[in-house]
Amino acid sequence: SQQGEEDPQALSIQEGENATMNCSYKTSINNLQWYRQNSGRGLVHLILIRSNEREKHSGRLRVTLDTSKKSSSLLITASRAADTASYFCATDALQGAQKLVFGQGTRLTINP
Amino acid sequence: DAGVIQSPRHEVTEMGQEVTLRCKPISGHNSLFWYRQTMMRGLELLIYFNNNVPIDDSGMPEDRFSAKMPNASFSTLKIQPSEPRDSAVYFCASREDGSSYEQYFGPGTRLTVT
Repeated sequence: SQQGEEDPQALSIQEGENATMNCSYKTSINNLQWYRQNSGRGLVHLILIRSNEREKHSGRLRVTLDTSKKSSSLLITASRAADTASYFCATDALQGAQKLVFGQGTRLTINP
Repeated sequence: DAGVIQSPRHEVTEMGQEVTLRCKPISGHNSLFWYRQTMMRGLELLIYFNNNVPIDDSGMPEDRFSAKMPNASFSTLKIQPSEPRDSAVYFCASREDGSSYEQYFGPGTRLTVT
């Protein structure tokens, strides 16, 4: 069964606002990653958070991880039109850390 | 580095034809992954290699699909015979062992089977 599932499926906000996307997963993990995909392009890695971390920052990105709830959130602050893309969480199981299982993604639209 | 290179970028073929997708991973990366992306099923891992050896092909849909990695700088995904339901975007990704598990994706091959 699919490991990661994002919520919401689609999000539309005004430029400058913050965008929050959530991810839930089912089994214990080593780490959780977030990727971005612009239309017609491959996925690009944004940030990784390990299972023993609770929060991580990278520029305008903030990721949290709650292993007790098996959930993560990605916050993009002060959104820009260029942030328009699909965002995916990806998890690896404790067994078989080579493999990543991706969620269905959140389609984020930033309106100018 | 040019990143992960995939060819062709677009492929249109008729049902029953053989299709070969190609991938060149980033130099020095030990693991290579093939994914398929569709609206209905999202991003699915088909197969991955480590040091040119197939490790897990449980995601390969059926015997019509096969993948090879003859050397560290080249991999192919073949579909024979192709069917309309194989229409999707196929991505190749590579990763360096011992890194933070970050995968680097190619631009994808959009396959249309008519």
